[in-house]
Amino acid sequence: AQKITQTQPGMFVQEKEAVTLDCTYDTSDPSYGLFWYKQPSSGEMIFLIYQGSYDQQNATEGRYSLNFQKARKSANLVISASQLGDSAMYFCAMRGYGQNFVFGPGTRLSVLP
Amino acid sequence: EAGVAQSPRYKIIEKRQSVAFWCNPISGHATLYWYQQILGQGPKLLIQFQNNGVVDDSQLPKDRFSAERLKGVDSTLKIQPAKLEDSAVYLCASSLVPGTDGGSQREYEQYFGPGTRLTVT
Repeated sequence: AQKITQTQPGMFVQEKEAVTLDCTYDTSDPSYGLFWYKQPSSGEMIFLIYQGSYDQQNATEGRYSLNFQKARKSANLVISASQLGDSAMYFCAMRGYGQNFVFGPGTRLSVLP
Repeated sequence: EAGVAQSPRYKIIEKRQSVAFWCNPISGHATLYWYQQILGQGPKLLIQFQNNGVVDDSQLPKDRFSAERLKGVDSTLKIQPAKLEDSAVYLCASSLVPGTDGGSQREYEQYFGPGTRLTVT
């Protein structure tokens, strides 16, 4: 069975600083995808970044990067130069071969001015 | 490109009443998902359609929840009768390709609608 763990219920970061949101996963599938979504107070889930299990390099999308450590089964999200608009819930998710999406419990990020 | 549309955005009902939610996916997306997101938790998949067939409904409480996707496009999710614990946000998502035959393709990325916030009193 697949499982996502996000151990940080809430995080604070100062504007313009970098922040790392933790995500660990558990799966027996050799092929899987890892995703991060942002959910602002409006409720809509916004896709941020994707990492495939066979990708050799860590994924990057603008200010977002994914620190993928396959042996440790971790896929931490790094947000550089935080902005006030980054305040939101962040969900780590995965999907393995023949499986459906499984989401973690989320981390609430608050960016302080 | 228009996104995933959902209605209504908010609904308040009393327990034991019935309610229905509507979702219109992105044009051309074969796969449609309904998720339940209870406050403070991540989304939980209720049902997945590929075109107009059900792929996975293992977590759908079938004694009270039902869903259909007629003609492989729009979908409705119904709850009858509602319970207090059904209070949640119901998210609809769609993806371009079927989401169960590979785990490493970005094409399986899901696009979410704004959700329907249901309050059962």
